[in-house]
Amino acid sequence: EDQVTQSPEALRLQEGESSSLNCSYTVSGLRGLFWYRQDPGKGPEFLFTLYSAGEEKEKERLKATLTKKESFLHITAPKPEDSATYLCAVRGGYSTLTFGKGTMLLVSP
Amino acid sequence: DSGVTQTPKHLITATGQRVTLRCSPRSGDLSVYWYQQSLDQGLQFLIQYYNGEERAKGNILERFSAQQFPDLHSELNLSSLELGDSALYFCASSVALAANTGELFFGEGSRLTVL
Repeated sequence: EDQVTQSPEALRLQEGESSSLNCSYTVSGLRGLFWYRQDPGKGPEFLFTLYSAGEEKEKERLKATLTKKESFLHITAPKPEDSATYLCAVRGGYSTLTFGKGTMLLVSP
Repeated sequence: DSGVTQTPKHLITATGQRVTLRCSPRSGDLSVYWYQQSLDQGLQFLIQYYNGEERAKGNILERFSAQQFPDLHSELNLSSLELGDSALYFCASSVALAANTGELFFGEGSRLTVL
């Protein structure tokens, strides 16, 4: 069974204070690791797909990296609008995604 | 706006009742997924349909059922409701069967409260 564990559960940063979110996974035959952003009262919104160890993807202040056991979402100089819950998901041998419980990020001005 | 429409947005009902949640996928998307999100469990996959056929099943209770119609909209039926069924129910869609890029388009969810 595919498993995803995200840490920390919640993170509070000051504007401009860089940090990283962690996603550890157990999957049989990784066919993709995915990051989503979820704002309160909204559905998750796709950010990145990573397929193999060593791969990196960037979007504005976010950079996602992947190793054989975990992924990191690095947030550089965050702004209050980056406040959201960030979800990590994996796809193994099935067509569906298994999600972690997420990291709730709050960036204060 | 993801292009995925879910109705109703909010629903309050009593234990033992039955409700139907509706989802219209993005235009052109053939795959529909249903997820349940609660505070303690996170996003849990329930079921997937592709072009009208069931393709994958997750942690879906026997009291729950779903279908996808010829026009590709989908309905999730929840019966004999219990307090623990209170949650956000999300529908997502993708073009392909396997969502190879992992890019699912989620609706805004239906919040079910069972009293």
